[in-house]
Amino acid sequence: GAGVSQSPRYKVTKRGQDVTLRCDPISSHATLYWYQQALGQGPEFLTYFNYEAQPDKSGLPSDRFSAERPEGSISTLTIQRTEQRDSAMYRCASSSKFGATETQYFGPGTRLLVL
Amino acid sequence: QKEVEQDPGPLSVPEGAIVSLNCTYSNSAFQYFMWYRQYSRKGPELLMYTYSSGNKEDGRFTAQVDKSSKYISLFIRDSQPSDSATYLCAMIEWGFQKLVFGTGTRLLVSP
Repeated sequence: GAGVSQSPRYKVTKRGQDVTLRCDPISSHATLYWYQQALGQGPEFLTYFNYEAQPDKSGLPSDRFSAERPEGSISTLTIQRTEQRDSAMYRCASSSKFGATETQYFGPGTRLLVL
Repeated sequence: QKEVEQDPGPLSVPEGAIVSLNCTYSNSAFQYFMWYRQYSRKGPELLMYTYSSGNKEDGRFTAQVDKSSKYISLFIRDSQPSDSATYLCAMIEWGFQKLVFGTGTRLLVSP
């Protein structure tokens, strides 16, 4: 596609509910990243995928957070039993190749509000 | 203490001014240094990246890295109202994929 897309753009949920956020990376991009961005802060790394593999999930805040990329393209981030502190912007980024210097292209984000 | 520190601003300057944006960091293993620009309600977009110490220039933008002081800067010459955005520094260690961002500095350039 033309750019990274994310859905939904906004999600309001009640505490305790599960939510799933979707990221559609730029077509054929190998590497996909998830970040959490609180208001007034920079993005914080959650996890990344190289195709289907998930080599690093060290940034996931708790075991309530999980991510998948089963076919190496679209990815989902699931938050179980949401808590108010999970409210944030969740951003996805993709890069064409694996590598520290490869440009990451960010999507518009999903703003999650947990009531 | 955060690994990367950045003054959140806002920084207000008149059009045409030279802008200096800065970050300090504590992890001496950072090797790649990047500057992202983020417009309101948009995702960050990469402006420049540099490797290790030194300067890199791209048009009106100059990125500077001083590894001995653990200090990086972004200079914007002849600033324009369209430069008004949040500027985020980001860093990464060799062999890792985890970008570590600063808080971001909000820049306002008035006509």
